[in-house]
Amino acid sequence: GEDVEQSLFLSVREGDSSVINCTYTDSSSTYLYWYKQEPGAGLQLLTYIFSNMDMKQDQRLTVLLNKKDKHLSLRIADTQTGDSAIYFCAERRAGGGNKLTFGTGTQLKVEL
Amino acid sequence: NAGVTQTPKFQVLKTGQSMTLQCAQDMNHEYMSWYRQDPGMGLRLIHYSVGAGITDQGEVPNGYNVSRSTTEDFPLRLLSAAPSQTSVYFCASITGGEAFFGQGTRLTVV
Repeated sequence: GEDVEQSLFLSVREGDSSVINCTYTDSSSTYLYWYKQEPGAGLQLLTYIFSNMDMKQDQRLTVLLNKKDKHLSLRIADTQTGDSAIYFCAERRAGGGNKLTFGTGTQLKVEL
Repeated sequence: NAGVTQTPKFQVLKTGQSMTLQCAQDMNHEYMSWYRQDPGMGLRLIHYSVGAGITDQGEVPNGYNVSRSTTEDFPLRLLSAAPSQTSVYFCASITGGEAFFGQGTRLTVV
């Protein structure tokens, strides 16, 4: 199938690390993405990883890619209340206009 | 959202009315696309374009038309709006590994 799956909710305490997980299905995916969406807002590109990489770090964000298991994760270090949002992972496939297939999003709640 | 501009941000239409959602990018990207976001369904691809003069259908194209006369602009047209088209619409612009989205147009059809 074409599903990209994510858990629906994650709750963490401020200052802890958050790990949001995603599984995808297409082994021909070229890039994988993480987007952040705050209420009533657009999709903010957080980071992306090329499919032949297994890790990418960008400040507080670390992306891990396990291509064998088709598993993608986003780790947010020192999570802050401003990180509360919905996080979407997406896979991009070659051809077909570079279609992005999105998961249904993980709502991250950061508690004090 | 780095160079992808959508207008309007909000719109209310009556059933049967037509309108055009505008999308412009200033990054000289070849690939542009339109998605709709509905609760519990994630984002679904409506139409896409791989360059000026070239468009193709995505997974939910019915009720929508597009054109791409310039690299910068990719408007989405609703010819006869229906309540099922109530949604949030996002335009995307892609080059290399980067895929940027606009701020979205929130459309309500009554």
